[in-house]
Amino acid sequence: GESVGLHLPTLSVQEGDNSIINCAYSNSASDYFIWYKQESGKGPQFIIDIRSNMDKRQGQRVTVLLNKTVKHLSLQIAATQPGDSAVYFCAENVQGAQKLVFGQGTRLTINP
Amino acid sequence: DGGITQSPKYLFRKEGQNVTLSCEQNLNHDAMYWYRQDPGQGLRLIYYSQIVNDFQKGDIAEGYSVSREKKESFPLTVTSAQKNPTAFYLCASSLERSNQPLHFGDGTRLSIL
Repeated sequence: GESVGLHLPTLSVQEGDNSIINCAYSNSASDYFIWYKQESGKGPQFIIDIRSNMDKRQGQRVTVLLNKTVKHLSLQIAATQPGDSAVYFCAENVQGAQKLVFGQGTRLTINP
Repeated sequence: DGGITQSPKYLFRKEGQNVTLSCEQNLNHDAMYWYRQDPGQGLRLIYYSQIVNDFQKGDIAEGYSVSREKKESFPLTVTSAQKNPTAFYLCASSLERSNQPLHFGDGTRLSIL
């Protein structure tokens, strides 16, 4: 069935290190994926998206990788900063279903 | 600046009472959505609307109702039939129904008195 899950519910990294947040999805018909960042008491904020015809997409300090063979999505954050502390959600759009399915989220904590 | 405004930020409901959460957007988006977020969980879709005067149930529509009389507005009513309404409610909008990022408001936290 449709499901989006995360390998780790929490992730702690040292300031300045790179962070990698992983996401598994189950529906091979998913054609669009998004990463969101949610700070406490606020709504999710769009970070980056990727369509299924791509393997990699880069933004400012962030990279999303899509491995369709193993149905895996990852978000890489370079040179992690204190402001990166938040919960990160992946979401997938299943072609034809016309709705986004969200994962449970990973809490990223930055250690000074 | 364009964006989505949700109000109020905090809301309290008494037993047997209906409450309405407001969502307004000035992004000229056609599609609007309501999600519910419980602690430690992802977002679950309550209702969505692709155009004015039309809306569809999401995954957890029971105990909720919506209207879409204007493009800019998509209010959500939490009725007394919703037995576990305590949650963080998020409104979102997008340019079209699928394959576009959703833009979220900052949410309304609903609690039971």
